Amino acid sequence: DIQMTQSPSSLSASGGDSVTITCRASQSVSSYLNWYRQIPGKPPELLMYAASSLQRGFPSRFSGSGSGTDFTLTIDRLQPDDFGTYYCQQSYNTPYTFGQGTKLEIK
Amino acid sequence: EVQLVESGGGLVKPGGSLRLSCAASGFTFSDAWMNWVRQAPGKGLEWVGRIKAKPDGGTIDYAAPVKGRFTVSRDDSKNTLYLQMNSLKIDDTAVYYCTTEVPDNWGRFYFDLWGRGTLVTVSS
Repeated sequence: DIQMTQSPSSLSASGGDSVTITCRASQSVSSYLNWYRQIPGKPPELLMYAASSLQRGFPSRFSGSGSGTDFTLTIDRLQPDDFGTYYCQQSYNTPYTFGQGTKLEIK
Repeated sequence: EVQLVESGGGLVKPGGSLRLSCAASGFTFSDAWMNWVRQAPGKGLEWVGRIKAKPDGGTIDYAAPVKGRFTVSRDDSKNTLYLQMNSLKIDDTAVYYCTTEVPDNWGRFYFDLWGRGTLVTVSS
């Protein structure tokens, strides 16, 4: 199975800051890497697919990059609505696997 | 409206069984690849299993922790996905989500539409 490791596990940042979340796969997943955001009490929602394609409805402040084993999700100019837990997920092969999540708090 | 609605969760004793349903609407269910993803209380997301659309072979894959105990199936005439869960364990306690799996233009897949989930609690 492909293991997905995110860092950090949590972070706290202020409105207007930029933050970066990293996701590392235990073997190459090419660009079969997706990001989801989950707000407490809600289901996850797709944020970014194929490593760098932004899902409609999300602002361009969100960007993704990477290929192979190392990926990043960057959020510029943090807004209060950006809080939640962010998960990466590989869709290279089954069993599909998720990172453990990064909990983002907005100060 | 495009949506997925899960049902069938509840409290069950260890060793018991439960069947979850996921009703789809607003899209062509018979063409959709469907997945179950679960989330234990306070924990992260865990993929459970996937069933492809019948035109794509209808193949079913499972995560190791549930293989042999859980069965994913679909009834395209009812636009409904199922998860039959047998020999339930305490560790199966989770919110279970159904989700569609769709490809981008280059065949890279992602989970697009999610239901709100249904809670399964396994406890004596």
